[in-house]
Amino acid sequence: GAGVSQSPSNKVTEKGKDVELRCDPISGHTALYWYRQRLGQGLEFLIYFQGNSAPDKSGLPSDRFSAERTGESVSTLTIQRTQQEDSAVYLCASSLIGLAGGRGSEQFFGPGTRLTVL
Amino acid sequence: QKEVEQNSGPLSVPEGAIASLNCTYSDRGSQSFFWYRQYSGKSPELIMFIYSNGDKEDGRFTAQLNKASQYVSLLIRDSQPSDSATYLCAVSFSNDYKLSFGAGTTVTVRA
Repeated sequence: GAGVSQSPSNKVTEKGKDVELRCDPISGHTALYWYRQRLGQGLEFLIYFQGNSAPDKSGLPSDRFSAERTGESVSTLTIQRTQQEDSAVYLCASSLIGLAGGRGSEQFFGPGTRLTVL
Repeated sequence: QKEVEQNSGPLSVPEGAIASLNCTYSDRGSQSFFWYRQYSGKSPELIMFIYSNGDKEDGRFTAQLNKASQYVSLLIRDSQPSDSATYLCAVSFSNDYKLSFGAGTTVTVRA
């Protein structure tokens, strides 16, 4: 079936504005992850959703960041009062299951949203 | 602090040669190991995963895992110019589902 999709592909905003990024996981995947990749740097974990369990928000860099997921489908990542250091590519991934190790835990990434904060 | 380290690049190999990429990780209890390929300006693409000690082959790619040495490697045989990309090692630490990524190794295959 279709892969992970994200929208918008690019977002340019002014400092202080709020932005909302969207992720549609692979159909049937119960686990969904958000990562951030700053220019020339590695991927940083932000947040994880698994079914109806409470999300793991341990990677969110500040309280300006929040995310929601509707059931086992769409997720939105919201950044309030954006700052220039928020400029990065925001990547969403999904996996069939959310357990550590073993088949089904492979994460597949979407194309990302490139956020530029002026 | 749990870490994933990759050999520093860039790595330049001639077309047809073997490219060898190395990755070490700090948590002995780590369970899942992944290699992603990332072309410039694109998102990571999963190319290999390995969960048990030994070798796993898929086409021109071979992943090797040695949990005792906390080491995972990726071999690319018969390297092609289209293999030129950054290769990311990712590890799922003990009882954890999120991935920790290495900084990546950039590979350039010379035609």
